[in-house]
Amino acid sequence: GNSVTQMEGPVTLSEEAFLTINCTYTATGYPSLFWYVQYPGEGLQLLLKATKADDKGSNKGFEATYRKETTSFHLEKGSVQVSDSAVYFCALSNSNSGYALNFGKGTSLLVTP
Amino acid sequence: GAVVSQHPSRVICKSGTSVKIECRSLDFQATTMFWYRQFPKQSLMLMATSNEGSKATYEQGVEKDKFLINHASLTLSTLTVTSAHPEDSSFYICSAKMIMNTEAFFGQGTRLTVV
Repeated sequence: GNSVTQMEGPVTLSEEAFLTINCTYTATGYPSLFWYVQYPGEGLQLLLKATKADDKGSNKGFEATYRKETTSFHLEKGSVQVSDSAVYFCALSNSNSGYALNFGKGTSLLVTP
Repeated sequence: GAVVSQHPSRVICKSGTSVKIECRSLDFQATTMFWYRQFPKQSLMLMATSNEGSKATYEQGVEKDKFLINHASLTLSTLTVTSAHPEDSSFYICSAKMIMNTEAFFGQGTRLTVV
């Protein structure tokens, strides 16, 4: 079945530091891959996505590249801001799951001034 | 476009009562809607998948008689938590997708507290 593994948090960084949150997956075929962000007390917002191998999703300075060979979709940002503090979820969907999302456990990020 | 509205955002109810949560796709026809549950500081777990006009498909371990899902139209799905108990307190999130589209769009979530 499908599964998503992402690095455990919490991650604490200083403002303007480089961010990497690792995400690997197990799935058959060619799933679509997503990063969602959840701010405190709120629902999920799609941050970026990639639907095929070697695609790079990007948004708000965040990037992730769909690596089929390593089954990974690591999230990166060159310079984080305090406002990036949130929980980040890696997820995948494919036809096997009826396009329901399989989520990782989430990584909490805290950016300090 | 692709806006999903979930209502209410917060609800407090007494044990033994029922609560209905609505999920609406405002600007597209949602052939499939998904309901997730999120416990504090944990990931989202899929509860059920509903296709318009069909019975919902529940994930293993989810009580279908307790969590009633109706998807009567292409823009509305409802989740009713029947005879709620404190352990049902959680964050419930719906998402909706269009046919032939792999991306699902999320509602804002509903924080249910059962006292």
